[in-house]
Amino acid sequence: DAKTTQPPSMDCAEGRAANLPCNHSTISGNEYVYWYRQIHSQGPQYIIHGLKNNETNEMASLIITEDRKSSTLILPHATLRDTAVYYCIVYSGYSTLTFGKGTMLLVSP
Amino acid sequence: GAVVSQHPSRVICKSGTSVKIECRSLDFQATTMFWYRQFPKKSLMLMATSNEGSKATYEQGVEKDKFLINHASLTLSTLTVTSAHPEDSSFYICSATQGPEAFFGQGTRLTVV
Repeated sequence: DAKTTQPPSMDCAEGRAANLPCNHSTISGNEYVYWYRQIHSQGPQYIIHGLKNNETNEMASLIITEDRKSSTLILPHATLRDTAVYYCIVYSGYSTLTFGKGTMLLVSP
Repeated sequence: GAVVSQHPSRVICKSGTSVKIECRSLDFQATTMFWYRQFPKKSLMLMATSNEGSKATYEQGVEKDKFLINHASLTLSTLTVTSAHPEDSSFYICSATQGPEAFFGQGTRLTVV
């Protein structure tokens, strides 16, 4: 079973920020929070990951709560090409890499 | 970032034949590789976990004699679908990991006719 819980779908207007939540209340101390996205019929694309500090890269920002039981992926200025299924995963390198159902993000004009 | 190459990207085979899918880590040595299957509009379902030089660990409900996994080196894992049937038609994806980081192949679309 997946160790994360995400809303099944979200909508976002083009140009606005998309905030995708994820609950991972059973996360272990050595597990990272990873975010991937999958555009139809392609392999998952890496977005960002973090352990306990907030992270930012050219694609997105990752906000992890202090207790590490939840996180939020932020796409600061969503575009139509950001429409995809977004997966939040916890992984340490010593466990299985298991996907939940993810969040289908639909970015509209 | 690290690159994982999966080959072929698409394959069509006749029912009863076998198909081999390769997963290569191009610029790093993968400690673990994962194989997934994805049906339309569904999430990725983990099939098996393989570590170099040891037998793969299969998830419940996955037939190890049908889905043969060979992880002969730190840069190559293969999945062979033996005696394929139309219900095996799916999108197969591999992942190669190095420590806590995981990288994915582009996937293989298998169609069994």
